[in-house]
Parts: sequence; structure tokens; C-alpha cells
Amino acid sequence: EAQVTQNPRYLITVTGKKLTVTCSQNMNHEYMSWYRQDPGLGLRQIYYSMNVEVTDKGDVPEGYKVSRKEKRNFPLILESPSPNQTSLYFCASRTSGRVWELFFGEGSRLTVL
Amino acid sequence: AQSVTQPDIHITVSEGASLELRCNYSYGATPYLFWYVQSPGQGLQLLLKYFSGDTLVQGIKGFEAEFKRSQSSFNLRKPSVHWSDAAEYFCAVGKSSGDKLTFGTGTRLAVRP
Repeated sequence: EAQVTQNPRYLITVTGKKLTVTCSQNMNHEYMSWYRQDPGLGLRQIYYSMNVEVTDKGDVPEGYKVSRKEKRNFPLILESPSPNQTSLYFCASRTSGRVWELFFGEGSRLTVL
Repeated sequence: AQSVTQPDIHITVSEGASLELRCNYSYGATPYLFWYVQSPGQGLQLLLKYFSGDTLVQGIKGFEAEFKRSQSSFNLRKPSVHWSDAAEYFCAVGKSSGDKLTFGTGTRLAVRP
């Protein structure tokens, strides 16, 4: 089954404790992206990657890092989480070509105390 | 820069009534337009998309949307709402390059029995 898988789905952590949210897709997509969703703000793009070893900032990259060492994986790293990073995070990957579609993971709900 | 406005935060309709959710976008070139639905605690599911051609687009679950370039709008419609349509709906605009999808802030739909 074609899917985007995120882990963990739920996480409660404390300020300053480094964490990584993993994202993996099995569709051989070149493009992957991370979004955060906050009430009243919709989804905002954090980082995206057009291909392996190619990443770029989205609208809200502060406090986050990403890496793209292989095509299927695109982890999101919070080096020193803060309470304002409490959010629902979505990973997505996209088909190629002129007509494309974004596929989303199930989401990871992160709470930073 | 691209942007999306969903002017209605909450909408309540009676089951069986018709529905129209408004979406206005800002983008300098021909936009790629999408509607997603998010049920409580779930990820995002694509309802329909517009890239070019026929301005009336049919989607899943009986939804349709009409692209009106002169009004910069892409409103979502359904002739008869079912209780299971209660969810949050997001309109999004993307570039042809596909590097970014910009979302509106969402419209939460409640369905009255």
C-alpha cells in the first residue's frame, strides 16, 4: 500500500530535549516536505526537499533541521524543543510531473512542556 | 507570494442541505488549486484538484469545485450534505514547480441532524 509513515504519532517531551520525528514514504517520490498545523493558522511549510541531499526552508523553519540522505526518508529534527513548537506535524511526499499530488502522513502530535 | 483566504471559520448546515465553502487565492501565475478534508484526529485527504482545462472539477464523496479566474476563487460545493461530511476543509494553492503548497486557515463544517 502506498503510504507516508510518520513516527512517533504522539509525543510529550520537555524543553530542550532533542527529538526526531521520522518520515518514510514507499512511493519512490523525489519531493518530500514537512508542515505544522496550528489552530487558526492552517498548515505551514517548515522545510522541503526536492531530492536526496537537496533541502530548502519553507515558511517557518526556525528551530527545526532536516536531512535527506536517502530518497525514502526525511526526518524532522528539533535540536532544542520549546513550548511554541507544540503542534501537529505532517510529512508529505509528492508525485512528479506537470500534474502532481501531495500525499500526507497521519500526523505526529508533539507537546513540549 | 501566494496566499489563500478561507473567510468562513465555522459553518453549520442541516443534513441534506447544499453546501458551499469559499476559497480565494492570490497568485501571480496560473495556480494549482486543491481542496483537502481532515476528519477529527485524522490526516488530510485530497478531495479534488485543478491544474488546467475544465473549470468545474469533480472530486470524491460527491464534492465539486469551480475555478473562477476573474474572481480568484475556487469554491467547494456539495448538493446534499451527509452527517459524515462534518470535518475541517482546507483550500490550498501551489506553484507549477510543486515546491510549495500554501494552505488556507480552514473551515470547520458542522452538520445538523
